Amino acid sequence: DGGITQSPKYLFRKEGQNVTLSCEQNLNHDAMYWYRQDPGQGLRLIYYSQIVNDFQKGDIAEGYSVSREKKESFPLTVTSAQKNPTAFYLCATQYSGANVLTFGAGSRLTVL
Amino acid sequence: AQSVTQLDSHVSVSEGTPVLLRCNYSSSYSPSLFWYVQHPNKGLQLLLKYTSAATLVKGINGFEAEFKKSETSFHLTKPSAHMSDAAEYFCVVRTNNNDMRFGAGTRLTVKP
Repeated sequence: DGGITQSPKYLFRKEGQNVTLSCEQNLNHDAMYWYRQDPGQGLRLIYYSQIVNDFQKGDIAEGYSVSREKKESFPLTVTSAQKNPTAFYLCATQYSGANVLTFGAGSRLTVL
Repeated sequence: AQSVTQLDSHVSVSEGTPVLLRCNYSSSYSPSLFWYVQHPNKGLQLLLKYTSAATLVKGINGFEAEFKKSETSFHLTKPSAHMSDAAEYFCVVRTNNNDMRFGAGTRLTVKP
């Protein structure tokens, strides 16, 4: 998993509750990304951040929020406004000037 | 806008036979293209990348891909499948905004 730690690995949530997924990296990479994976749909970009204190919406940002207060950390909050939050969430990083993403092991969120 | 289309959602081969996973891309300029592999409940691992150097790109685990501009294709191949190759494979293109667009994925099954 290349120095990216996602936690928790599995999470169960009741409807109407917010939940925060953690992503921490020790790779000293500048950019960090959050993707959502659903069966048969590949990965869809939720949010990304190329520098500290700055982030941009991806294709499916509605119902999610992020922060980037430190280079090492990019937490994702799944809010109660997200209508279908059950999914596998992947965090990734990228070194500035490089072309490849490095992925964490993922967090599986299930809404009961 | 840049995008990729993976032509098969599921490919099944016998161990020892060739693997072909098909990917077509859409881009108005010379794209950066990637193949990633994902084993069950894991993050993604980079197999190989094309960034306008040699059109035949060799990756890890015996995989390779050929960039064909005339066909707008970047198919992934391997001469002889191994049981450990069973996984989900994603074709990816880098966009003008420097984010990554994923195909829907191809699930590879290897039969003994």
